[in-house]
Amino acid sequence: DQQVKQNSPSLSVQEGRISILNCDYTNSMFDYFLWYKKYPAEGPTFLISISSIKDKNEDGRFTVFLNKSAKHLSLHIVPSQPGDSAVYFCAASSNDYKLSFGAGTTVTVRA
Amino acid sequence: DAGVTQSPTHLIKTRGQQVTLRCSPKSGHDTVSWYQQALGQGPQFIFQYYEEEERQRGNFPDRFSGHQFPNYSSELNVNALLLGDSALYLCASFGLAVHNEQFFGPGTRLTVL
Repeated sequence: DQQVKQNSPSLSVQEGRISILNCDYTNSMFDYFLWYKKYPAEGPTFLISISSIKDKNEDGRFTVFLNKSAKHLSLHIVPSQPGDSAVYFCAASSNDYKLSFGAGTTVTVRA
Repeated sequence: DAGVTQSPTHLIKTRGQQVTLRCSPKSGHDTVSWYQQALGQGPQFIFQYYEEEERQRGNFPDRFSGHQFPNYSSELNVNALLLGDSALYLCASFGLAVHNEQFFGPGTRLTVL
């Protein structure tokens, strides 16, 4: 049962423009949401997180938005840079601290 | 700070064999989780160790077992390997006080022939 879904397997964006990655979840017990970035041959790197009591969290070029009523979150990257080309995973957890991941979205930033 | 380290980097085994993967958590972290990432999928939670005990377990058979040592390092053991066990095995560590930031190691690529 896939509780976290990333329905776009890939995204191509021009350098300098905004990248928007989407994620949906089904488990209403999730209270923490995270985004990870993964390069080939490396482990996932933590990017940004948001608690369910908030609807927005910003860190530099990265902003995560949470819509609890829609069980939807998104990651905005502005401006997109070539080094942002990677696979991005959405993950969610409840008070048991185990992460449920989506299948990932491959972002390609074009020069 | 070395971060989360895992060994070995790559491993090739044959069906029916047993394998042990190792993980050293980031300094200051006391909890270790193991994940399996099959090709084209997101990581799937296997189990989590805290204070040398298994706290949580995902939907994996008993062939998957683990251990945590007093220095917080951990091992993942898989018995009776199947072709479907071929995957990237990731270790993540965190401190329970800051569970919102779980740090991952580079993973061990296991190939079962």
